Amino acid sequence: NAGVTQTPKFQVLKTGQSMTLQCAQDMNHEYMSWYRQDPGMGLRLIHYSVGAGITDQGEVPNGYNVSRSTTEDFPLRLLSAAPSQTSVYFCASRHRPNSNQPQHFGDGTRLSIL
Amino acid sequence: DAKTTQPNSMESNEEEPVHLPCNHSTISGTDYIHWYRQLPSQGPEYVIHGLTSNVNNRMASLAIAEDRKSSTLILHRATLRDAAVYYCILPRGGGADGLTFGKGTHLIIQP
Repeated sequence: NAGVTQTPKFQVLKTGQSMTLQCAQDMNHEYMSWYRQDPGMGLRLIHYSVGAGITDQGEVPNGYNVSRSTTEDFPLRLLSAAPSQTSVYFCASRHRPNSNQPQHFGDGTRLSIL
Repeated sequence: DAKTTQPNSMESNEEEPVHLPCNHSTISGTDYIHWYRQLPSQGPEYVIHGLTSNVNNRMASLAIAEDRKSSTLILHRATLRDAAVYYCILPRGGGADGLTFGKGTHLIIQP
């Protein structure tokens, strides 16, 4: 009963390095999304996807790339990490796009950029 | 984006009911009200959602005001495991998908 799985759980990068945060779900959900959470704040939407081959920007997309080649996976790429991207990153999935169905969240990736 | 207003923190005693308020005066007519909670070092967890009438599930009840400008999440008998940050959330709106999270209410449960 895996649900939404994020890897790695922790990562430290140097400024300018690139990295891919992985997200996989085994619930056959069409909709997947990435959020970031800064200390003491709520979550902010980075990018989302309503199905394989389709992605769109959220509130804070700058500095991040995504792709959706399969239903199961939705990786988030940082091409050139900056200290401002130090945050906790959460991936979420939902059964149908543009609906009010509950979202299922992973346990997060804690990312520090030095 | 529609916004919500919640108290920063609330405190309650174990095994007593808890009422968590939320104001959302700019809610649109088709926006569902969602509640999620986040335990320490975990991702958000869905609690409940509703549109107009009151809703119940195994975790909680959601009471929605008749004018839909406010709602209240009710935990009928709080336990120590209910200590978390509770988010009252509206959709981003304007045709954009996703949810808009505020800072939420930090619920403290005293034994």
